[in-house]
Amino acid sequence: GENVEQHPSTLSVQEGDSAVIKCTYSDSASNYFPWYKQELGKRPQLIIDIRSNVGEKKDQRIAVTLNKTAKHFSLHITETQPEDSAVYFCAISGNTPLVFGKGTRLSVIA
Amino acid sequence: DTAVSQTPKYLVTQMGNDKSIKCEQNLGHDTMYWYKQDSKKFLKIMFSYNNKELIINETVPNRFSPKSPDKAHLNLHINSLELGDSAVYFCASSTRGVDTIYFGEGSWLTVV
Repeated sequence: GENVEQHPSTLSVQEGDSAVIKCTYSDSASNYFPWYKQELGKRPQLIIDIRSNVGEKKDQRIAVTLNKTAKHFSLHITETQPEDSAVYFCAISGNTPLVFGKGTRLSVIA
Repeated sequence: DTAVSQTPKYLVTQMGNDKSIKCEQNLGHDTMYWYKQDSKKFLKIMFSYNNKELIINETVPNRFSPKSPDKAHLNLHINSLELGDSAVYFCASSTRGVDTIYFGEGSWLTVV
């Protein structure tokens, strides 16, 4: 079945710096790679996603890169702000419901 | 308008009780899900369901059962609650097949 490893589990950055979270997977049939942000006490919400026919996607300060050969994808947040502090989850899907990584707790220090 | 809504938001109950969590989506989606988020924040799929197929995660105890009166609703019934069932349960929905899923606000279940 599908499985995804997410690193790091915690990440602290200074405001204005960049943050990178990486996920690796094993199932080559995976073809959809979303990222979710979960603020304290709230639901996970989609922030960006990428499909297997695309190598990179950007939305303002957030970008996702995908390397299908190496089976990994990464979330990049530039110019971090305190409101970026949250738990971030990567997820994968092929022919099954989304399988989530274990999450990364990002703390942006002002 | 709340796209995926679930009730109750908070539930405190004693061990051994039976409880239900209701979920409704107004997005016109074909597939609904239940995810469990434990104290370590791990999100695990419990069930996915459309009007043709129920897929059950094999690790889910059979005390948990989804019930869908129609494609806009997927309720979760839990029998003989145990302390380890304490978690946040998220309902979610998506269009058919592989696509973005949208979560409800979560139901915080505490078993004492």
